[in-house]
Amino acid sequence: RKEVEQDPGPFNVPEGATVAFNCTYSNSASQSFFWYRQDCRKEPKLLMSVYSSGNEDGRFTAQLNRASQYISLLIRDSKLSDSATYLCVVTPRRALTFGSGTRLQVQP
Amino acid sequence: EAQVTQNPRYLITVTGKKLTVTCSQNMNHEYMSWYRQDPGLGLRQIYYSMNVEVTDKGDVPEGYKVSRKEKRNFPLILESPSPNQTSLYFCASGMGGTETQYFGPGTRLLVL
Repeated sequence: RKEVEQDPGPFNVPEGATVAFNCTYSNSASQSFFWYRQDCRKEPKLLMSVYSSGNEDGRFTAQLNRASQYISLLIRDSKLSDSATYLCVVTPRRALTFGSGTRLQVQP
Repeated sequence: EAQVTQNPRYLITVTGKKLTVTCSQNMNHEYMSWYRQDPGLGLRQIYYSMNVEVTDKGDVPEGYKVSRKEKRNFPLILESPSPNQTSLYFCASGMGGTETQYFGPGTRLLVL
């Protein structure tokens, strides 16, 4: 079993839609959680950290469920510029462990 | 401008010809790391460094070497590249291994 699992997608949604991604992780000792965004084989960039109480940054909301060992990312009012691959990141050891990513394609 | 730089950005080489990919950061970060990214496998950590002269293996260290003689630089060395090392390589830095990391632009390597 992979340490971090994500649905690879692609998720094809129209502009303005709400879309949600889930990510499951296997190591309950993980302490830090992140969502990174990666555009077309460019470098990953931090989208947001994920906190236990859940957190929001504009149109983006992240949630953590420690009991079920998953994190989620909700994107409201999708924009064309949101098209990218979203990487789930956890820390089962003293290093970041990346999921393979979920590809989002927002269509006009 | 705070950044991580990598050179070269693109490299085509032949099996067995030693090469070095440089990585430099200007954010005074203690932690630096190398990853490779392959389709379907995601980003996998090759080596990391917690500080100057402190390096350790990641998940896929075979065939690679690193050094950390200065805080800002963390070169990746392939002593005898093989075709299975064809990949997209990213260098990253951060305040710690479990903290936010900032990535360089990537190096596309093709080993023939």
